[in-house]
Amino acid sequence: DAKTTQPNSMESNEEEPVHLPCNHSTISGTDYIHWYRQLPSQGPEYVIHGLTSNVNNRMASLAIAEDRKSSTLILHRATLRDAAVYYCILSRWANAGKSTFGDGTTLTVKP
Amino acid sequence: EAGVAQSPRYKIIEKRQSVAFWCNPISGHATLYWYQQILGQGPKLLIQFQNNGVVDDSQLPKDRFSAERLKGVDSTLKIQPAKLEDSAVYLCASSSQPGYGYTFGSGTRLTVV
Repeated sequence: DAKTTQPNSMESNEEEPVHLPCNHSTISGTDYIHWYRQLPSQGPEYVIHGLTSNVNNRMASLAIAEDRKSSTLILHRATLRDAAVYYCILSRWANAGKSTFGDGTTLTVKP
Repeated sequence: EAGVAQSPRYKIIEKRQSVAFWCNPISGHATLYWYQQILGQGPKLLIQFQNNGVVDDSQLPKDRFSAERLKGVDSTLKIQPAKLEDSAVYLCASSSQPGYGYTFGSGTRLTVV
């Protein structure tokens, strides 16, 4: 599987937008980009996924670079409940279950 | 919709003992995964089932770990004998089709002393 690179940690202020970057320079044409997040003492939860076009859902937006070598998860207004570890993973077709999770980005939200 | 259920929530055992974890996926989900998450790291896939068949167990340490999914519903993961390095959270996840929008349980935290 292609690897992803994320910053170890990021900080944000409450009510402000957060942009979480992910680099995936070895992505293949069939790889989907998935984002999951893990709150303390819980299993990861699905946030969003996409292939080529930008995607929006009720939780977040996913901006994918034109060359697909990087992507950004956008939380439009961070809340304290968004403090979590965010994982960016790649998978063929939609089979994210077999993907390799890195160590993710720990997001701290300050009141 | 009920989530993925796992039990027990916590388990402490001595090294060389055996332990089993149970997972009940979301009803109707054909694909089930077991992951190991060591503290400070991302989850690592151990095994993937499609219904009651194994799709991928390439990262399962088969000398001590085993898993089964009888009848294509519940699944159990067993470790025998446990080692200190098996201390981790064991996560179960399921999806209606391979990988798409899959749901994790809260996990079982195993401590081997």
